[in-house]
Amino acid sequence: KAGVTQTPRYLIKTRGQQVTLSCSPISGHRSVSWYQQTPGQGLQFLFEYFSETQRNKGNFPGRFSGRQFSNSRSEMNVSTLELGDSALYLCASSLAQGSGAFFGQGTRLTVV
Amino acid sequence: AQSVTQLDSHVSVSEGTPVLLRCNYSSSYSPSLFWYVQHPNKGLQLLLKYTSAATLVKGINGFEAEFKKSETSFHLTKPSAHMSDAAEYFCVVSDMETGGFKTIFGAGTRLFVKA
Repeated sequence: KAGVTQTPRYLIKTRGQQVTLSCSPISGHRSVSWYQQTPGQGLQFLFEYFSETQRNKGNFPGRFSGRQFSNSRSEMNVSTLELGDSALYLCASSLAQGSGAFFGQGTRLTVV
Repeated sequence: AQSVTQLDSHVSVSEGTPVLLRCNYSSSYSPSLFWYVQHPNKGLQLLLKYTSAATLVKGINGFEAEFKKSETSFHLTKPSAHMSDAAEYFCVVSDMETGGFKTIFGAGTRLFVKA
């Protein structure tokens, strides 16, 4: 069974640009969550999608958005990039809430 | 409100000696508890999970954790450390809260293993 796949693995963007990250969950998993990981703030929850609906949202500004497609694949978008958005963005999929999540390798975003 | 505290930011052990990574949590209801491991430049891997069944949970790579409700702890142990165990470990709590299901990650404990 293929694991969680995130693309791209690495990205370099300029301040003010926007970026879209992609996540393909494990087959059969309908819940997809996104996290931001930085050395200073650790792992922070961004949002969770289930059956194309956002079910939970963390404390991030509106520049961070996401969506989920009918095949459970998910994308997150960050608009008007800031230097502080540089981070490892992790996607995780799970069968159900509280069942344990399986993480992708992450997308390393660098904003210059 | 739920929270999770990993009591040590760094732990250093010698290869072949026991590992203890400490985690305390608070939760209003019946939480699910997890330990994840992250090797450098990698995603997180689920080591084990507690979901209200047996209080002693066995995971992958020889790790286990014991849920102690009276102490609100979920410490991770391994009898004998291996060099490949050097990584960062995260304790995680998931539970229902007002507003929905929440998942909280601890700050992480970096494990160093000396030869």
